Amino acid sequence: GENVEQHPSTLSVQEGDSAVIKCTYSDSASNYFPWYKQELGKRPQLIIDIRSNVGEKKDQRIAVTLNKTAKHFSLHITETQPEDSAVYFCAASLTGANSKLTFGKGITLSVRP
Amino acid sequence: DSGVTQTPKHLITATGQRVTLRCSPRSGDLSVYWYQQSLDQGLQFLIQYYNGEERAKGNILERFSAQQFPDLHSELNLSSLELGDSALYFCASSTTGFTEAFFGQGTRLTVV
Repeated sequence: GENVEQHPSTLSVQEGDSAVIKCTYSDSASNYFPWYKQELGKRPQLIIDIRSNVGEKKDQRIAVTLNKTAKHFSLHITETQPEDSAVYFCAASLTGANSKLTFGKGITLSVRP
Repeated sequence: DSGVTQTPKHLITATGQRVTLRCSPRSGDLSVYWYQQSLDQGLQFLIQYYNGEERAKGNILERFSAQQFPDLHSELNLSSLELGDSALYFCASSTTGFTEAFFGQGTRLTVV
């Protein structure tokens, strides 16, 4: 089955700096890669996703890049703010009725004011 | 609000007991997923149902079972509970053909 790994497990940045979180996946058939943000005590919420036919996607301060050859994808957050502090999960999946999201273990991002 | 409803929000029970967690997916979503989140284990996939049928199984213990009913709501049954079963249990739903998964607020289970 699919295996998703995230690294590092924790990341601390200064407010205003950029943060990059990397994930690798094992199943070359996976074609959908979402990123979820989970604030303390709350449910995971989708912040951005990318499909395998696209190399990069941006949404304001957030971007995701995908390297299918190397089987890794990264989340980029620019101009970080204290409210970006949360746990971020990457996931990989096949699309379709039999699909299931396989999550990485999550990374705790701390943005220092 | 994601549109996915989970009940109860909190549950405290004793070891050896059995509990049922309930999930109502977003209107129109046919797929329901169950995840277990422990402090050090991230989001562990348990099981997926699609339109009433089991479609994928993850790290689900034999003491756990689930089903999806004709009205598409799902229940996760946990029996012979152990202290280690204490966790946050999330349900998520998605549309046919799969796009993003929407998570419910979770049920926090505490086994004492």
